[in-house]
Amino acid sequence: DADVTQTPRNRITKTGKRIMLECSQTKGHDRMYWYRQDPGLGLRLIYYSFDVKDINKGEISDGYSVSRQAQAKFSLSLESAIPNQTALYFCATSEGGGAKNIQYFGAGTRLSVL
Amino acid sequence: GEDVEQSLFLSVREGDSSVINCTYTDSSSTYLYWYKQEPGAGLQLLTYIFSNMDMKQDQRLTVLLNKKDKHLSLRIADTQTGDSAIYFCASLDSNYQLIWGAGTKLIIKP
Repeated sequence: DADVTQTPRNRITKTGKRIMLECSQTKGHDRMYWYRQDPGLGLRLIYYSFDVKDINKGEISDGYSVSRQAQAKFSLSLESAIPNQTALYFCATSEGGGAKNIQYFGAGTRLSVL
Repeated sequence: GEDVEQSLFLSVREGDSSVINCTYTDSSSTYLYWYKQEPGAGLQLLTYIFSNMDMKQDQRLTVLLNKKDKHLSLRIADTQTGDSAIYFCASLDSNYQLIWGAGTKLIIKP
């Protein structure tokens, strides 16, 4: 089984709908991240969490919210989806306190907003 | 803000060496990374280098770091079809966040 699991893998939704992307991990890591990937733009950080009570905005948090339900679970919500949120979304984890911040990624959720 | 830049595409013949280049702006970066993304999959760490090193070798992979020019490269020897992927360069900034390049798609010609 994958260490970092994202559900769903693919999602098509309509403009204005609220949707949630979920991430769970079995690595025992404290730190979790949500990124979006757009062609030619690389990865951009949406939100990150250093532990259950510590949630921080990333570079592009507008239009998104997150919830850290437990150490192992970190979900991303789009309150009212819009077409320019069509992208590939990745969840990642890393150990707390490690100097290297090596991140481990889920397989991604491909989201299309029509 | 800080930036990481890399070319979007590289095409090489099977069996040749591939060299993927990256430049970064944050002179305080302590670690630099190469991640690989295969089609339909997430990113996987290939290798990383600490900023006080100038070279790291791991089987077919060689990482070169020129800290003065803020230039990082990844050389893949004897490139195989299984090396087809997008390769991301990233630097660790002073806020302990990764700054990502746009990714270089490696295309292997037979």
